[in-house]
Amino acid sequence: DAKTTQPPSMDCAEGRAANLPCNHSTISGNEYVYWYRQIHSQGPQYIIHGLKNNETNEMASLIITEDRKSSTLILPHATLRDTAVYYCIVVRTNAGKSTFGDGTTLTVKP
Amino acid sequence: DVKVTQSSRYLVKRTGEKVFLECVQDMDHENMFWYRQDPGLGLRLIYFSYDVKMKEKGDIPEGYSVSREKKERFSLILESASTNQTSMYLCASSLIARGGLGELFFGEGSRLTVL
Repeated sequence: DAKTTQPPSMDCAEGRAANLPCNHSTISGNEYVYWYRQIHSQGPQYIIHGLKNNETNEMASLIITEDRKSSTLILPHATLRDTAVYYCIVVRTNAGKSTFGDGTTLTVKP
Repeated sequence: DVKVTQSSRYLVKRTGEKVFLECVQDMDHENMFWYRQDPGLGLRLIYFSYDVKMKEKGDIPEGYSVSREKKERFSLILESASTNQTSMYLCASSLIARGGLGELFFGEGSRLTVL
């Protein structure tokens, strides 16, 4: 599986959009990008995933660059409850394993 | 809702003890996983299983074994616990999906302290 690189921490003002970047320059054609978040003392929670098209659900939007070497998770209107560690991972199709990096600690400030 | 239940939230064991961490999921998922999480190291995959009685090593299998006798249950075993196995252990499950490994559903975690 391709390795991902994320900034260790980011701040965002409450009510503003939070844009979390992820670099996955070694991604291959059959690998998907997944995003999870982990709120303190809980297990990680799935947010969204995509292959090459942009995706949107009730939680967030995922923008993947045309060359697929990077992506951005967008929380359109961040709230204090969005303060968490956000993990970007890359996973091969039907592959069983995944490896989480250190993620980005997002702090939403009032 | 999918529920992944880990048997104990907090355990304290002594060096050399055998430790069992149990995980049960209620959604008939094929895949089950065990991770450990340590500050500064993120989540690291220990073992995973994609079917009953099947298992594959993850990134850090040393010192651990697993058992999957039933589809809904995946156990992590520390044959002889050591202090460097003090950690948060997270179990997860997922369906087999065309979109990669599918959405992972995590349990709440088991915090193990080995004295």
